[in-house]
Amino acid sequence: GQSLEQPSEVTAVEGAIVQINCTYQTSGFYGLSWYQQHDGGAPTFLSYNGLDGLEETGRFSSFLSRSDSYGYLLLQELQMKDSASYFCAVRDRRDDKIIFGKGTRLHILP
Amino acid sequence: ETGVTQTPRHLVMGMTNKKSLKCEQHLGHNAMYWYKQSAKKPLELMFVYSLEERVENNSVPSRFSPECPNSSHLFLHLHTLQPEDSALYLCASSQDRADNYGYTFGSGTRLTVV
Repeated sequence: GQSLEQPSEVTAVEGAIVQINCTYQTSGFYGLSWYQQHDGGAPTFLSYNGLDGLEETGRFSSFLSRSDSYGYLLLQELQMKDSASYFCAVRDRRDDKIIFGKGTRLHILP
Repeated sequence: ETGVTQTPRHLVMGMTNKKSLKCEQHLGHNAMYWYKQSAKKPLELMFVYSLEERVENNSVPSRFSPECPNSSHLFLHLHTLQPEDSALYLCASSQDRADNYGYTFGSGTRLTVV
């Protein structure tokens, strides 16, 4: 079967660094994506990793290890506006379907 | 605004009603999707349209009926829903089905079935 596992909630302090992990199981892997969703808002695309390694976009970085079926999203210099839910998603090579995790709710304390 | 517009934002309907959700994108994308988002559950893919043709129906009950009249518009027609169908319904689009650089989502329609 296909599944993604990520923590349901993470709490961090403003200005700090936080890492949100994602492990996955798919029949044919084709890339790991991350999305952010604020309460009442649309999920918005953050990053995509098709190959192993780190991708950096400003304060956000995403990492992938295909041999470990594992990735993470790293958020640096946390700001209150980063309080949101973060979803990892994988594309299954067999049918091009994108499968989403349940999401990680990030709480940021002042 | 994300480029994908959904209306209405909120909808309350009785189990015997018929209503429709609307999604519109002017991004020039060729693929459009309906997702259901329930509390503490992953986003569930309902329907996929590519170039206005339905290419996927993920075992969705027939009380949900999609329609894609052109590449910019997608509808979800609802009839005789159940209370468990209450959820956030999200529309998304992408350049094509194999687009790795992300879907563009609308803000969703919050549906409550009473």
